[in-house]
Amino acid sequence: EAQVTQNPRYLITVTGKKLTVTCSQNMNHEYMSWYRQDPGLGLRQIYYSMNVEVTDKGDVPEGYKVSRKEKRNFPLILESPSPNQTSLYFCASSLGGFGTEAFFGQGTRLTVV
Amino acid sequence: GNSVTQMEGPVTLSEEAFLTINCTYTATGYPSLFWYVQYPGEGLQLLLKATKADDKGSNKGFEATYRKETTSFHLEKGSVQVSDSAVYFCALSENSWGKLQFGAGTQVVVTP
Repeated sequence: EAQVTQNPRYLITVTGKKLTVTCSQNMNHEYMSWYRQDPGLGLRQIYYSMNVEVTDKGDVPEGYKVSRKEKRNFPLILESPSPNQTSLYFCASSLGGFGTEAFFGQGTRLTVV
Repeated sequence: GNSVTQMEGPVTLSEEAFLTINCTYTATGYPSLFWYVQYPGEGLQLLLKATKADDKGSNKGFEATYRKETTSFHLEKGSVQVSDSAVYFCALSENSWGKLQFGAGTQVVVTP
């Protein structure tokens, strides 16, 4: 089954404790991205990657890091989480091309206390 | 920059009622337009899309027409069901790598 898998689904952590949210896709997609969803703001792109070892900032990259060492994986790293990073996070992948469909993971609800 | 504006919710309807969710956009070029749906506890999934002016996207009884003259992509369904309760996001993409610009989302609640 074609899917994007994120882990964990839920995470509560304390300020400053480094964490990683994993994302993996099995569709051989080149394009992957991370979004955060906040009430009243919709989804905003954090980082994206066009291929292995090619990443770039999205609209809200501050406080986040990513890496793309393999085509299928695109982890999101919070080196020193803060309460304003409490949010619902989604990983997405797509084949690329004008009008392409994005496939989303089920989301990771992160709470930073 | 690009932006997407959609009507605020929640929208509460009775089963079999007509649903319209307004969406307007601002873009510098000629974007592709999408409606994504998020069911409770799930990720987003594509509902329908249109890639050029006057195209109509349709799926599961939902329709939306790409109106370049009014920069709009309103979502409609003639007869909603309880199972249509979800959050609906309008989005646009202007590049070949598919970066999406989302509206704020509209929660729809359908009651029996």
